[in-house]
This record gives sequence, structure tokens and C-alpha cells, in this order.
Amino acid sequence: QKEVEQDPGPLSVPEGAIVSLNCTYSNSAFQYFMWYRQYSRKGPELLMYTYSSGNKEDGRFTAQVDKSSKYISLFIRDSQPSDSATYLCAMSRREGAQKLVFGQGTRLTINP
Amino acid sequence: ETGVTQTPRHLVMGMTNKKSLKCEQHLGHNAMYWYKQSAKKPLELMFVYNFKEQTENNSVPSRFSPECPNSSHLFLHLHTLQPEDSALYLCASSPGSAGGTDTQYFGPGTRLTVL
Repeated sequence: QKEVEQDPGPLSVPEGAIVSLNCTYSNSAFQYFMWYRQYSRKGPELLMYTYSSGNKEDGRFTAQVDKSSKYISLFIRDSQPSDSATYLCAMSRREGAQKLVFGQGTRLTINP
Repeated sequence: ETGVTQTPRHLVMGMTNKKSLKCEQHLGHNAMYWYKQSAKKPLELMFVYNFKEQTENNSVPSRFSPECPNSSHLFLHLHTLQPEDSALYLCASSPGSAGGTDTQYFGPGTRLTVL
């Protein structure tokens, strides 16, 4: 079993839709949860960071962590064509925070 | 130059060649990383350096040899590679902290093809 599972998609939605991206994980020691966005021919860039359980909002983006279910989500409101990218979830333990474990990434396309 | 830069951006090599990938960070960070990104697979951490010292080797085959001469530069020396080593190789850097978050900033990657 993979430590982090993420549906690779592809996911295609119309502009303005609410997008939900998800990851599940098996290691209960994970404490730090991140979402990275990767545009074509670019490296990943950090989008959202959350410590432990709870919600975090930043503009049109909301990250949720449910540690009891070992499930994390990223919601994108009012999606734009510029949001088209691959979204990677990543997580790490408290000790060894530098050792990120990534999901496979979900390829998202927002259609105008 | 700003952020994390990588050269070359594309590399094609034969299995008997020796080549090197270069990474430079302009962020004043103390930690640097090499990752491998293959199609349909998660990003895989290969090596971590903190203050020029290797602190993580994720069971990487010896045909990949990292070098970190200072906190700003990181190299990945390649020799006798296999076709399955073809991938995007990403470098990252972070401030370097003992615990808690240590946000990693990625370069654009080197697309490697092994013939």
C-alpha cells in the first residue's frame, strides 16, 4: 500500500466551478500537510500548508485536514483557466519534516 | 537570477556516458534536495543536504552521485545510467530547520532521457 494515495485524474471542469482535490494517507505520524501546484515545464510551487487537523483558507483556496480519517482536501472556488495545472499533495512527520512524501498528483484542466 | 535554477534544462545521454546536473539557489537557504519525478509516479526524494552535509540518502543506486560544495550549489553526477532513469530531476532548497515546517522551493527541473 502506498503511503499517500491521490487520484491522478485527469479532471476537467468548466470555469467558475468548485474543484475538490483529495488525498488519503496511511501513516498516522504525518503532521504537516501541503499542497503544491505544478504548471507544465515548471517545478512545483507551494500553494497551501497546514499543520495537524483543521481548515485553512487563502483567497479562493481552502485546505482541509481530517486526521481521524487520514484524508486531506484542497478546494478551489470560482476556478479559472489559470488554475489548470497538476496539484500534488505532500506530507511529513514531525520529526523529519524535510522528508516529504508526495501523492502522484492530479492533473486539472479548467475549461473557459 | 532568482530562486532555484537548474542546468541543463534538457539532457540526452547514452548508458555509457557521464554527465552532471547542476542546481543553484539564490535564496540564502541551508538545505538542498534532489528529487526524481517519473511519469505516473509520485515525486521521489533522493538526497537531502543540510549545511553541505548529506543527511538523507533514500536508497538511491550508486550510479547517482550527489555533491554539495557549499550551501548554494548542488550537483548530481550521473554514470552508467539505465533507460528507466529517464525522468524529470528536480532540485529544491529550504531554509533548514530542526523541526516544524521547512518550506521547500523547487527549481524547474532537468528533463533527462537515457538512450
